[in-house]
Amino acid sequence: GAGVSQSPSNKVTEKGKDVELRCDPISGHTALYWYRQRLGQGLEFLIYFQGNSAPDKSGLPSDRFSAERTGESVSTLTIQRTQQEDSAVYLCASSAIAGRSDTQYFGPGTRLTVL
Amino acid sequence: GDSVTQMEGPVTLSEEAFLTINCTYTATGYPSLFWYVQYPGEGLQLLLKATKADDKGSNKGFEATYRKETTSFHLEKGSVQVSDSAVYFCALKAGNTPLVFGKGTRLSVIA
Repeated sequence: GAGVSQSPSNKVTEKGKDVELRCDPISGHTALYWYRQRLGQGLEFLIYFQGNSAPDKSGLPSDRFSAERTGESVSTLTIQRTQQEDSAVYLCASSAIAGRSDTQYFGPGTRLTVL
Repeated sequence: GDSVTQMEGPVTLSEEAFLTINCTYTATGYPSLFWYVQYPGEGLQLLLKATKADDKGSNKGFEATYRKETTSFHLEKGSVQVSDSAVYFCALKAGNTPLVFGKGTRLSVIA
């Protein structure tokens, strides 16, 4: 079946503009995660959705970042008033459940460049 | 909080050399441990995992053993190939939490 897909693959924007990044998880996966990967760094957790539970937003770096998920399908990560330090690859992952041993499957990422 | 420390790269090896990438972790719970790999121009993919102490994960000739006594999950391969050139990430997951990643180790294998 299809893996996790993300769009756009690349996004260049000007400082101060808003951007929306989209993630389509694997069908049937109840858990969805957003991570950020800055150049030469590991992955930083941003936000996590599990079924109908309230999302875990503990990793969002500022109130300019927000995310939504429609049921157990598509998720959108929105960054308002982008700053140059927001430049990174934004990765989405999904897993069947959210248990400690469940494998997360990653999308190809969206490379965001803020000029 | 939970954390993962892995050896800094880059690591450069000749083809058929032995590979070890060290990974140690700190966790309050009882985590599962993972190695993810990111090949050039590709997305992150699971390489192997282990879910309890003394378990050995293995895939594509790579192995890692969950050592609770040393809180380690070192990645090894007996004979690397050029196609193994990639960035390798060690990660842990404790319960219903996101993955916690190390900073990644870049491996370059030369013919």
